[in-house]
Amino acid sequence: AQTVTQSQPEMSVQEAETVTLSCTYDTSESDYYLFWYKQPPSRQMILVIRQEAYKQQNATENRFSVNFQKAAKSFSLKISDSQLGDAAMYFCAFQGGSEKLVFGKGTKLTVNP
Amino acid sequence: DAGVIQSPRHEVTEMGQEVTLRCKPISGHDYLFWYRQTMMRGLELLIYFNNNVPIDDSGMPEDRFSAKMPNASFSTLKIQPSEPRDSAVYFCASSLRTGGWSTEAFFGQGTRLTVV
Repeated sequence: AQTVTQSQPEMSVQEAETVTLSCTYDTSESDYYLFWYKQPPSRQMILVIRQEAYKQQNATENRFSVNFQKAAKSFSLKISDSQLGDAAMYFCAFQGGSEKLVFGKGTKLTVNP
Repeated sequence: DAGVIQSPRHEVTEMGQEVTLRCKPISGHDYLFWYRQTMMRGLELLIYFNNNVPIDDSGMPEDRFSAKMPNASFSTLKIQPSEPRDSAVYFCASSLRTGGWSTEAFFGQGTRLTVV
């Protein structure tokens, strides 16, 4: 069974600085998708970024980028120029060929002014 | 599209009562997921459907939980009888897979269930 591990329960960053959230996963599949979702206090789940495993190029979305290391089964999220609005829970997720979407336990990000 | 719609947003019930949570997925989506979120266990996948058919219900905690999808636009998650340990936020999400390409999952606002 696929598992997703986020080893950092909590992280903090100063406003305007850069922070990296870690995620590792375990799978025997070669084709899959990886996601980072953000959950602010409103509890709405918001997609931040997605990565297709067959693409070698790391995905980027404005201030958000990933470091996808397929061999190491690692998928970290980098947030540049952190803003107060980035404070939230961040969840890493894996979706394989069966479409089963599995989440890690999340990392709570605090942004300090 | 209004997105994934869940009802109710909040539910408070007494132990032993039946609880039914409802979900309307995004029109045209062919996958529907039910998740439970707690502080201790995070986001747990309970069950998911493809074209209204349950594919994997291995996450359903016990027989007190059941889920149905009678048609493409409606799904329910029922707990009978409810217990205090069922208190959590329950999310419904939907996605579309077409031609080997999959959209991300879109989530509803969740239902906060409190069993007293």
